[in-house]
Amino acid sequence: DQQVKQNSPSLSVQEGRISILNCDYTNSMFDYFLWYKKYPAEGPTFLISISSIKDKNEDGRFTVFLNKSAKHLSLHIVPSQPGDSAVYFCAASIAGTYKYIFGTGTRLKVLA
Amino acid sequence: NAGVTQTPKFRVLKTGQSMTLLCAQDMNHEYMYWYRQDPGMGLRLIHYSVGEGTTAKGEVPDGYNVSRLKKQNFLLGLESAAPSQTSVYFCASSPRDSRWNTQYFGPGTRLTVL
Repeated sequence: DQQVKQNSPSLSVQEGRISILNCDYTNSMFDYFLWYKKYPAEGPTFLISISSIKDKNEDGRFTVFLNKSAKHLSLHIVPSQPGDSAVYFCAASIAGTYKYIFGTGTRLKVLA
Repeated sequence: NAGVTQTPKFRVLKTGQSMTLLCAQDMNHEYMYWYRQDPGMGLRLIHYSVGEGTTAKGEVPDGYNVSRLKKQNFLLGLESAAPSQTSVYFCASSPRDSRWNTQYFGPGTRLTVL
């Protein structure tokens, strides 16, 4: 049973426009959520996170929104740049368990 | 400061052979993890460690063993490799300085089992 789901395997966006990546989860005990970015032949790198006590966290061009009632989070990238083309993973954790459950990833392609 | 390093980067094994993947981190992190990434499956946790000398099973531990004899190293062993273990393996580490910890990943090891 996939506890963290990214239902869109891929997404294409024009440079300068907004990219919205979505993630759904089923376990209401999750209280910390992260987004990772992965380029080919490299390990994932941390992008942004949010705890369940917030509904929004912003870092430059990246904003993560959390809707706890819908068990849904999204990553907004504004404006999108060609260098943002990568696979994006969302991950969820329960505080104190030291473990993270990852989604299957969304491949973002930003077109110049 | 190298961060998280993994050895080797690539390996081809025959069914039944054994091997050990090495993960090293120089950030003095308490927690270390081994994941595998397969197409359409995302990252799945194999084993993890919350400190030197301790290990625990993750989502997909069967066919793997681990050891954490030193804080900076986390070894993943395959005793008898099977084609189903063909995957990309990532090691990660995270600090124990807050309730919620960010993981730092190594570059990965691509393993093919024939």
